[in-house]
Amino acid sequence: RKEVEQDPGPFNVPEGATVAFNCTYSNSASQSFFWYRQDCRKEPKLLMSVYSSGNEDGRFTAQLNRASQYISLLIRDSKLSDSATYLCVVNAGWGNSGGSNYKLTFGKGTLLTVNP
Amino acid sequence: DTEVTQTPKHLVMGMTNKKSLKCEQHMGHRAMYWYKQKAKKPPELMFVYSYEKLSINESVPSRFSPECPNSSLLNLHLHALQPEDSALYLCASSGGAAQETQYFGPGTRLLVL
Repeated sequence: RKEVEQDPGPFNVPEGATVAFNCTYSNSASQSFFWYRQDCRKEPKLLMSVYSSGNEDGRFTAQLNRASQYISLLIRDSKLSDSATYLCVVNAGWGNSGGSNYKLTFGKGTLLTVNP
Repeated sequence: DTEVTQTPKHLVMGMTNKKSLKCEQHMGHRAMYWYKQKAKKPPELMFVYSYEKLSINESVPSRFSPECPNSSLLNLHLHALQPEDSALYLCASSGGAAQETQYFGPGTRLLVL
């Protein structure tokens, strides 16, 4: 099983659609979870951290199910500007307690294109 | 301010050249990272510096040599690269209140001829 596995995509949706991304991770010791977005030829940018209680930021909702080792991202009322690659990222946590030197494992990313 | 800066934005070099990539952050972060990203692939970790000490080297060839002069700066020295080393090189940093959240710089797009 791959460490972090995402829907392969690509996703093509019309403006206003709701789109869901799914991700699974293999390391049950993983501590932190993120969704990053990456525009073409740009750097990854943090979209949301993902918490067990679920979290929402405007049109974006992220969920984490530790028992199933499953992470999701829901985008409502999609906009043209949402077109990007969405990366599921998991932090396994290594190094000394309280340290900030954690290693991230990236999924392969899912390309979303929102069409007018 | 979650800004990580990188220079140069673009670099073209021959296989015999020596060049350096630079990264800077002023967020007080204590961990800094180098990643390599090929087209349509996720970033691959190369090196991690924690408190200015090399913590991780992901079996990167010696033609890539990292350096951390101080807590705000990270360099990547390049020598005798191969065409397959052409990629986007991303710097990131983490630390402070956000702990493990990593913030990426815009990257240096490297072409090796």
